[in-house]
Amino acid sequence: AQTVTQSQPEMSVQEAETVTLSCTYDTSENNYYLFWYKQPPSRQMILVIRQEAYKQQNATENRFSVNFQKAAKSFSLKISDSQLGDTAMYFCAFMKHGSGYALNFGKGTSLLVTP
Amino acid sequence: EAGVAQSPRYKIIEKRQSVAFWCNPISGHATLYWYQQILGQGPKLLIQFQNNGVVDDSQLPKDRFSAERLKGVDSTLKIQPAKLEDSAVYLCASSLGIRTAGNTIYFGEGSWLTVV
Repeated sequence: AQTVTQSQPEMSVQEAETVTLSCTYDTSENNYYLFWYKQPPSRQMILVIRQEAYKQQNATENRFSVNFQKAAKSFSLKISDSQLGDTAMYFCAFMKHGSGYALNFGKGTSLLVTP
Repeated sequence: EAGVAQSPRYKIIEKRQSVAFWCNPISGHATLYWYQQILGQGPKLLIQFQNNGVVDDSQLPKDRFSAERLKGVDSTLKIQPAKLEDSAVYLCASSLGIRTAGNTIYFGEGSWLTVV
């Protein structure tokens, strides 16, 4: 089974600054997908960004970008120009290709953006 | 486009009672998932449906949990009898289907269960 590890239980950043959340995963698969989801206090999981393992180019979505290091099995999320609305739990998730496409989540990182 | 709908949003029950949660996925989504999220943890997959067939229920505690997806649209998740450790948020999610590789999974707002 694939395991996803988020080693930072909590992080804090000031508004307008940049923060990076870490994620590592363990798999023997070559073809898979990686995701970052945001979960505000309402508990709804919101997709932030996704990365296909076969793509070398790192995914970007506005202020959010990833650093995907396939050989190191690392998938970090960078949030630029942090906003108060970015305060939330962030979950890294792994999806194996061809197995039914369910998500396997890490334990999450709680991000607090301060004024 | 309407999102994944879940009800009830909140439920408090006593241990050994039963509870049922309902989910309506995004229109046209063939795959439906139920996840359990205990406080302080990431969501854990309980069961996955493709249309009205079960794809994976390996982590569903079948002695007390059951789920069905009649007609391949709405789904219900039932817990009977409930235990204290079942206190969690139950997240329903849907996607286009397992025949579309790596497609995005969309989540509902969750049903919060407290067992006292």
